[in-house]
Amino acid sequence: EPEVTQTPSHQVTQMGQEVILRCVPISNHLYFYWYRQILGQKVEFLVSFYNNEISEKSEIFDDQFSVERPDGSNFTLKIRSTKLEDSAMYFCASSFTGVGNTEAFFGQGTRLTVV
Amino acid sequence: DQQVKQNSPSLSVQEGRISILNCDYTNSMFDYFLWYKKYPAEGPTFLISISSIKDKNEDGRFTVFLNKSAKHLSLHIVPSQPGDSAVYFCAARYGGSQGNLIFGKGTKLSVKP
Repeated sequence: EPEVTQTPSHQVTQMGQEVILRCVPISNHLYFYWYRQILGQKVEFLVSFYNNEISEKSEIFDDQFSVERPDGSNFTLKIRSTKLEDSAMYFCASSFTGVGNTEAFFGQGTRLTVV
Repeated sequence: DQQVKQNSPSLSVQEGRISILNCDYTNSMFDYFLWYKKYPAEGPTFLISISSIKDKNEDGRFTVFLNKSAKHLSLHIVPSQPGDSAVYFCAARYGGSQGNLIFGKGTKLSVKP
């Protein structure tokens, strides 16, 4: 069964450092997303990406964040200068059409710990 | 600002009985509702969804009911199985959005053998 794959599963980084989280979406999917879940809190939407550009983003997704699809298979989330409050589980997801017409498939997540 | 609320943090049910998970929302602009299941150390897994133009959707043991006037939806699992034990998230989508899902805090379901 096709699945969304995220690497690494756990990333520890020092405050102020740049971090790149990687995702391989399902191959025939066209829409890509990043969500995060701070420990004990809700899953929160960060950004959606379609046709090589951001189609929607939340207030959380400020200038410190960027996304890229550098090749035909990877989808990355970069945090330029990490803060302690960026510590969270980050989930990548993909769907064939915009969520609602087809469901989004989530990866297993990357736990980011900023120290 | 809790636009999607799951007021029961946990629910315990006997195997074979019905599990009913509830979700309330406040924003009438939501046009699509989804339920996800999450096991520890895994990402959310899609279960079932419902458009705002419907009031019921069924898929095997899972049924979602939507009451738009009450801004309430529920997920029924019949019969419940121990493998259903997980955290269940209700999520809603704004009309026209392509992925901005608003999640509830989740309900932890325990199905006891």
